[in-house]
Amino acid sequence: RKEVEQDPGPFNVPEGATVAFNCTYSNSASQSFFWYRQDCRKEPKLLMSVYSSGNEDGRFTAQLNRASQYISLLIRDSKLSDSATYLCAVNPMYSSASKIIFGSGTRLSIRP
Amino acid sequence: GAGVSQSPRYKVAKRGQDVALRCDPISGHVSLFWYQQALGQGPEFLTYFQNEAQLDKSGLPSDRFFAERPEGSVSTLKIQRTQQEDSAVYLCASSHQRGGTTDTQYFGPGTRLTVL
Repeated sequence: RKEVEQDPGPFNVPEGATVAFNCTYSNSASQSFFWYRQDCRKEPKLLMSVYSSGNEDGRFTAQLNRASQYISLLIRDSKLSDSATYLCAVNPMYSSASKIIFGSGTRLSIRP
Repeated sequence: GAGVSQSPRYKVAKRGQDVALRCDPISGHVSLFWYQQALGQGPEFLTYFQNEAQLDKSGLPSDRFFAERPEGSVSTLKIQRTQQEDSAVYLCASSHQRGGTTDTQYFGPGTRLTVL
């Protein structure tokens, strides 16, 4: 089993729709969680960190469920520019404090 | 300000050749990371430096892979006797602090390595 797992998609949704995807992690001791966005042939860019209480940034909401060991990302009122691959990332805390494990990414395509 | 830069952006090597990939982190960033990203996959951790010290190299796939950061700034990832399975994008990231768990890692554009 992979340490961090995501549904690869693709999710194909119309503009304006709400879309959500989850990411599960296997190490219950994990402390830090992130969502990155990666455009085709570009580097990953941090979208948001995920905090225990959940957090929101404009149209984006991230949630953490420690009991079930998953994090989620919700995008409301989706825009064409939201089309990208969304990478979940977890700091498993079993080796170096800075090691981050990425999921394989979920592809999102927003259609007009 | 300047972000993380990497060179070359593209590298084609014949199987068996040695390659060297360079990373210039954001000025003043203490921590530097190398990742390998295969097509359709997420980045996979290779190694981590704090200043010039290589604190974690658990992700290096074989002894053909070697990384250094001798002056605590620029880093080089060297791959000896390249194999076709080494074909991937090699990403470098840096962060400001000393590897805290909530540090933001800023990624460079990557070097796309193709081994023929």
